[in-house]
Order: sequence, then C-alpha cells, then structure tokens
Amino acid sequence: RKEVEQDPGPFNVPEGATVAFNCTYSNSASQSFFWYRQDCRKEPKLLMSVYSSGNEDGRFTAQLNRASQYISLLIRDSKLSDSATYLCVLNNRGGGFKTIFGAGTRLFVKA
Amino acid sequence: DAGVIQSPRHEVTEMGQEVTLRCKPISGHNSLFWYRQTMMRGLELLIYFNNNVPIDDSGMPEDRFSAKMPNASFSTLKIQPSEPRDSAVYFCASSRGQTDTIYFGEGSWLTVV
Repeated sequence: RKEVEQDPGPFNVPEGATVAFNCTYSNSASQSFFWYRQDCRKEPKLLMSVYSSGNEDGRFTAQLNRASQYISLLIRDSKLSDSATYLCVLNNRGGGFKTIFGAGTRLFVKA
Repeated sequence: DAGVIQSPRHEVTEMGQEVTLRCKPISGHNSLFWYRQTMMRGLELLIYFNNNVPIDDSGMPEDRFSAKMPNASFSTLKIQPSEPRDSAVYFCASSRGQTDTIYFGEGSWLTVV
C-alpha cells in the first residue's frame, strides 16, 4: 500500500462549483500535513497546512481525520485560476524524518 | 527575499555525458532536498541534507547519481553517465528545519537524448 494515495482525477468542474479532494495515508505516525499546489510546468508551492481542528483560508478549507487517516481539501466557488494539480503532503517521524508527497489530483475549472 | 535558485533551468545532453545541476537554498534554511519529477513516477525524493550532512539518500536511483553540499549555500546533483531514462524535472528545495514548510526552486528540466 502506498504511504499516500490520492485520486489522480482529473476533476473537471465549472466555474463557481464546489470541489473536494481526499487523500489517505497509511502511517499512523504521520505528524504534520499540508496541501501543495502545482501549476503546469511550475514548481510545487505550499497552499495551506492542515490542522487537527480543521482550517480555512478564503475559499479553501482543509480537514484532518486522524481516526480514518485522511485529509481533505474543499474549494468553494471555483475560479479558472484554481486549475492546477493539488498535492497531499505529510511528514512522518516514525523511524526518522521523511516528507511524503502524494501523486497529486488534477483540477480543471471550465468557464 | 530570494527563493531557491537552481541552474541550469533547461539542459539537453547526449547519453553518456555528465550532468551537473546546481542549487542555492534560501539563506538560513538548514535542510536541502533534491527531488525528481516525471509523469510516470510523480515527485520522488532523491536525497536530503540537514546542516550540510546527507541524512537520507535512499531515493538515489543508482551509483550514477551523486549529490554534495560543501557549504550551507550550495549543493550539486551530478549524473554520470547520463541515460535517456534520467530525463525529468529535478527540483531542489529547502526548509528552515526538517519539518518546516518546504520551498521549491523552479526546477532544472533535463532531457537526455
């Protein structure tokens, strides 16, 4: 089983739609979680950290469910500029430190 | 503030040639990472350094790959000899500490023909 699994998509949604991505992880020792965004032919950039209590940044909401070992990202009122690949990222501390990147979920927002 | 700086941005080379990729991390960052990204395999961690010391190189594909960090502001990733399957985007990234936010450079796009 992969340490981090994401639905690769692509998700094709119209402008204004709400879209949600999930990411599951296998290592219960995972300690911190992030969502990164990667535009086509660009480097990954931090979108937001994910906290146990859930957190919101404008149209973006991130949730963590430790019991079920998944994190989620909700995008409300999608914009054309939200079209990108969204990478789920976690830090594992069990047996040493390691940052794991998911393969990413591709989102296309259409006019 | 300057971000992570990589060079070259693009390189096309012939099979068998040596390739050297360079990276300058963000000043004050203690951890440096080399990643490789391809469509098939996604983003793979090759090696990371903490305070200039290699901590985990288990992702380095084979002996043709080597990485060094002679000081806090410079690192190289070398491929010798290069092969067509090494064609990928190579990202250097840095973070203040091992569990802090990772900042990526713009990548070095390598094509081996």
